[in-house]
Formats: sequence, C-alpha cells, structure tokens
Amino acid sequence: QQQVKQSPQSLIVQKGGISIINCAYENTAFDYFPWYQQFPGKGPALLIAIRPDVSEKKEGRFTISFNKSAKQFSLHIMDSQPGDSATYFCAASASLISSGSARQLTFGSGTQLTVLP
Amino acid sequence: DAGVIQSPRHEVTEMGQEVTLRCKPISGHDYLFWYRQTMMRGLELLIYFNNNVPIDDSGMPEDRFSAKMPNASFSTLKIQPSEPRDSAVYFCASSRRGLEAFFGQGTRLTVV
Repeated sequence: QQQVKQSPQSLIVQKGGISIINCAYENTAFDYFPWYQQFPGKGPALLIAIRPDVSEKKEGRFTISFNKSAKQFSLHIMDSQPGDSATYFCAASASLISSGSARQLTFGSGTQLTVLP
Repeated sequence: DAGVIQSPRHEVTEMGQEVTLRCKPISGHDYLFWYRQTMMRGLELLIYFNNNVPIDDSGMPEDRFSAKMPNASFSTLKIQPSEPRDSAVYFCASSRRGLEAFFGQGTRLTVV
C-alpha cells in the first residue's frame, strides 16, 4: 500500500514536444505529491509539488495534474528542451496524523527522459 | 546555505572493510534521511531521524548497516563489513517538518 507506481520507465521526446509521466498510488493517506528531477552525478532536486486539494499546479513549463478519485497524478513538461533530459521521480508522503509517525517520502521507480534536439 | 553536504563523493573499498559515509544537513532542518540508489531497486529509504532520534530503520538491509546522528549537524552511515552488493550511490537528505527534502550530491560506493 506504500508503493507509488511510475510509468513509463523511459521516454524520448522531440524538442518542443510535451513530455508526460504518470504515477499511481494506493495509500489514501498520502497528501503530498512532489516530483523530483535528477541529473547524472547529482542528487534528486525538488521540481514541483502538489497537495490533493487542487487538481492542477503549474510552474513555468511544468504542470502537475492530480486526480484524487483515480489516485493518479502526472507531470507534464511543455515545450520540452534538451536541458530537461534527466531522470524524473514522483513521490508521495502522508501527514503526521494519518501516518502515525514522521513524514517519509515513497518514491516511484523513475523515468529517464531524453529530449532530442 | 551550502545545502546538504556529503563526504566522501566517491569511495572504493575492499570487501570486508568498514565504510563510513558522512552527512551534514541543512541548518535548521529537523529531519534527516539516508537513501540508497541502485539501478535495480531505485531509491530506497534506509533510515530517517527526527531531531537526531532514529524514527524508522526498517529499510536498513542488514545488521552490517548502522547509522547515527550525534547532533543536529552531523550524521554517519556505517557499513561493517562491506560486501560487493553494497555498491550503490548513497544519498543523505534533510527537510524541515518532513516536507520538501533536499538531497546531497551522494556518495558513490564501490566495494570490490
């Protein structure tokens, strides 16, 4: 129930295209859904995050869409650029009250995005 | 702030040797996490601390692994004895109130 399932495993997009990465979860106690971006040789870095009280959050070219009833959320990268080529991880965590303990992030398996020039 | 600082960046050691990885979290953060990343298993949470107290170590693979946080600005992850299957990138991350986690650059461990 703690799993977060992420797809696809890898994605190749042309420059200027839209990249879409999907995640699904089972634990209804999850209430914080961040996306992390990781470049080779670096640690993951927070890209954008959403809470379940909104269905969409946009920051620049990055948008999270959230479907609470389906327990799914996705990352859309508009006008994808070669510099966006990285591994993207979705994650989820539950609040202190619902989890009974401190927050901990459960990560998806990652998506390796390649944006072709 | 310099961010989460990990050392060493790379470690190559022989099987059976003791390995100590170090982490300095961001000042003011009350949560510290140790993760391991491999191609096969992705990002795995090993252990995390809240206010220097270990909260959940259920992700620690074996008794060969141990972690300490003697104060708010320092943590160690020790593997003794090390084995080739421990080869991975180990990340330390810190956060305030358990939300946005900031990751260090990682330590790439190779056990030969």
